[in-house]
Amino acid sequence: GNSVTQMEGPVTLSEEAFLTINCTYTATGYPSLFWYVQYPGEGLQLLLKATKADDKGSNKGFEATYRKETTSFHLEKGSVQVSDSAVYFCALTRPNTNAGKSTFGDGTTLTVKP
Amino acid sequence: EPEVTQTPSHQVTQMGQEVILRCVPISNHLYFYWYRQILGQKVEFLVSFYNNEISEKSEIFDDQFSVERPDGSNFTLKIRSTKLEDSAMYFCASLTDGTYGYTFGSGTRLTVV
Repeated sequence: GNSVTQMEGPVTLSEEAFLTINCTYTATGYPSLFWYVQYPGEGLQLLLKATKADDKGSNKGFEATYRKETTSFHLEKGSVQVSDSAVYFCALTRPNTNAGKSTFGDGTTLTVKP
Repeated sequence: EPEVTQTPSHQVTQMGQEVILRCVPISNHLYFYWYRQILGQKVEFLVSFYNNEISEKSEIFDDQFSVERPDGSNFTLKIRSTKLEDSAMYFCASLTDGTYGYTFGSGTRLTVV
């Protein structure tokens, strides 16, 4: 079946540090890949997405590239801010479906200190 | 920006009681989902709903759970007889196409005592 494996947290960084949160997946075919963010006390928000190999999703300074050869979708940001402190979820939607369920990773908690 | 609205934001109920969690998806979306999240971590799929019927459900979604879209606007999740382990955040989501990603509601925190 489909699965998503995320880098274990928690991750603690100083402001302006470089961020990488690793995400790898297992799926047959070509799933769509997503990163969602959950700020404290809030719901999940779509952060970025990529729907085919070599696509790069980007939003709010975050980027992730769909790597079919390594089945990865690592999240990166060049300079994190305190306001980026949140839980980040990598997810995939089952391939070859118009709108199937998504499979989520376990989430990675990021804390950015001033 | 269109939103998915969930009510109530927090529900406390006694074990064995029925609860109904309500969601208003984005109006032009076609696919609707319920997910739950225990302890602020793992997000678990419960059920998907399309064209007025369940399209997929997980093992969690047993006979105690049901969903309906009674009026073309609201999308509800009912738990008939709640258990302690049903305590979680329940998120409703909707989308128009699987490549766009979900729009989630802000969630209902269900506490079963």
